[in-house]
Amino acid sequence: GAGVSQSPSNKVTEKGKDVELRCDPISGHTALYWYRQSLGQGLEFLIYFQGNSAPDKSGLPSDRFSAERTGGSVSTLTIQRTQQEDSAVYLCASSLGPSGVYEQYFGPGTRLTVT
Amino acid sequence: KNEVEQSPQNLTAQEGEFITINCSYSVGISALHWLQQHPGGGIVSLFMLSSGKKKHGRLIATINIQEKHSSLHITASHPRDSAVYICAVSGFGNEKLTFGTGTRLTIIP
Repeated sequence: GAGVSQSPSNKVTEKGKDVELRCDPISGHTALYWYRQSLGQGLEFLIYFQGNSAPDKSGLPSDRFSAERTGGSVSTLTIQRTQQEDSAVYLCASSLGPSGVYEQYFGPGTRLTVT
Repeated sequence: KNEVEQSPQNLTAQEGEFITINCSYSVGISALHWLQQHPGGGIVSLFMLSSGKKKHGRLIATINIQEKHSSLHITASHPRDSAVYICAVSGFGNEKLTFGTGTRLTIIP
């Protein structure tokens, strides 16, 4: 079946602009995660959605970052007033449930470049 | 000190060698994940384990909960195994993954 898809694959934007990144999880996966991988850095957690529960937003680096998940499926990560330090690969992952029980399936990522 | 430490950071080996990558963590966990990331490629989950040992083809993952340590082994290594291997842990009641900094493995033909 189809894996996790993300769009766009690449996004170049000017500093100060808003961007939206999209994630389509695997059908039936109730858990959805957003991560960020900066150049030369490791992966860092951003936000986690599980079913209809309130999302865990503890990893969002600033209030310029927000995410929503509509209908328990597609998710959008929005970065307002982008800064150069936001340049990174943004990865989405989904799983059947909690990460302590189920493996995560990663999308190909969106490479964001802020000029 | 990072919650998840990997060693070595870089590893170069000849084709056919037995490879070991280590991961130590300092927090209580519900599971440990081993991930593989090829250059310019996406991330693939190799193993998720909370105890004992798992094997998939030439890959073996072990975990010692008491010592808070896991190892990833590759037998009969091949150039296509060249990738970054990432260890990650999920905590109890905390679904986010905390990642190690990765081990860059290069297998020379």
